[in-house]
Amino acid sequence: AQSVTQLDSHVSVSEGTPVLLRCNYSSSYSPSLFWYVQHPNKGLQLLLKYTSAATLVKGINGFEAEFKKSETSFHLTKPSAHMSDAAEYFCVVSELGNDMRFGAGTRLTVKP
Amino acid sequence: DSGVTQTPKHLITATGQRVTLRCSPRSGDLSVYWYQQSLDQGLQFLIQYYNGEERAKGNILERFSAQQFPDLHSELNLSSLELGDSALYFCASSVETSEFTGELFFGEGSRLTVL
Repeated sequence: AQSVTQLDSHVSVSEGTPVLLRCNYSSSYSPSLFWYVQHPNKGLQLLLKYTSAATLVKGINGFEAEFKKSETSFHLTKPSAHMSDAAEYFCVVSELGNDMRFGAGTRLTVKP
Repeated sequence: DSGVTQTPKHLITATGQRVTLRCSPRSGDLSVYWYQQSLDQGLQFLIQYYNGEERAKGNILERFSAQQFPDLHSELNLSSLELGDSALYFCASSVETSEFTGELFFGEGSRLTVL
């Protein structure tokens, strides 16, 4: 069965500096991978998704992620953090569709 | 606004009681998913319905049940409540096409507190 590990439970960056949220996955098939974001007291929102097309995926709000099969990774990056990026981020893997496994989440703090 | 509506937003009840959480999916979405989010378990998939039929089942306890009605709204029933059932319960909906998109639209959740 597929699984996903988010390597950091909490990441803190200064505004204007790069963001890196790390995600490793395990899958027996060619997986679909996603990043979702949850702002305080809100539901989750899709940031971006990889479904076997281009390995570098661009999402909303300037975020992007690169699928690296050799490293089984799907790290989320952003060149310059904004205060509004402070939220919980979830990496998600799906093998066969409709069975989405969420990671434990990474809380991003952005310092002024 | 995702277009998914959940009620109530907050609910406080006692152990042993029963509650019903309601979800209205986005207009046109046939699939409804229920998730439980707690500090110790993270985000756990409970169950999925598609056009009124159960499609997939996750870590849903036997004390919990759900259904999707002809108008596509869904209800999650939690009975014989325990302290450990305190959590945020999310509903999500999605468009079903021939290709799996993985794009779920989440409501803002129903926060259940069991005292």
